[in-house]
Amino acid sequence: SQTIHQWPATLVQPVGSPLSLECTVEGTSNPNLYWYRQAAGRGLQLLFYSVGIGQISSEVPQNLSASRPQDRQFILSSKKLLLSDSGFYLCAWNDPIRDTPGKLFFGSGTQLSVL
Amino acid sequence: QKEVEQNSGPLSVPEGAIASLNCTYSDRGSQSFFWYRQYSGKSPELIMFIYSNGDKEDGRFTAQLNKASQYVSLLIRDSQPSDSATYLCAVNVDDKIIFGKGTRLHILP
Repeated sequence: SQTIHQWPATLVQPVGSPLSLECTVEGTSNPNLYWYRQAAGRGLQLLFYSVGIGQISSEVPQNLSASRPQDRQFILSSKKLLLSDSGFYLCAWNDPIRDTPGKLFFGSGTQLSVL
Repeated sequence: QKEVEQNSGPLSVPEGAIASLNCTYSDRGSQSFFWYRQYSGKSPELIMFIYSNGDKEDGRFTAQLNKASQYVSLLIRDSQPSDSATYLCAVNVDDKIIFGKGTRLHILP
């Protein structure tokens, strides 16, 4: 069966510090991968999505970046965090062959607090 | 800008009654529509999806789609306290999944 791992669960970082969040998927190949952010009082905002290794589409131009170094690994990074980067970060995947687009499976999320 | 709109709530419904959640979307090219449930502090989980105009039923849940009105709804019959959560409407636009802000549902025991 397929599983998605996302870590860490919580993170407290000072303003200006770097960030690296990692997500891995097991039990499937060539998944579509997504990073979403959910800020307090706001909906799920699509940040990045990837249809393959090295293929990243950015939805929100800001100080975040994403990389997909391996088929089932998706990394969200920042060189310098801002206060506005605080939120609940969610990684998600779907199988573009077997699943309908939109049928997403989410990781357990990372609660990021930038102080 | 492609948008998905939902009433933020909270929507309070007595236990055993029908809860009705609504969603509108702006992009007429949207092909598929989804309802996710999110408990506080947890990640969303898919409960229903629909492609065609009309109703789709799955247990106590019914999704309704009206593409002409750009309107999607979710009905929850025989509401239970465990249904208390935030319900997110999502729309597939060119393989990008756009979410609404969600409606908080509170089932009153």
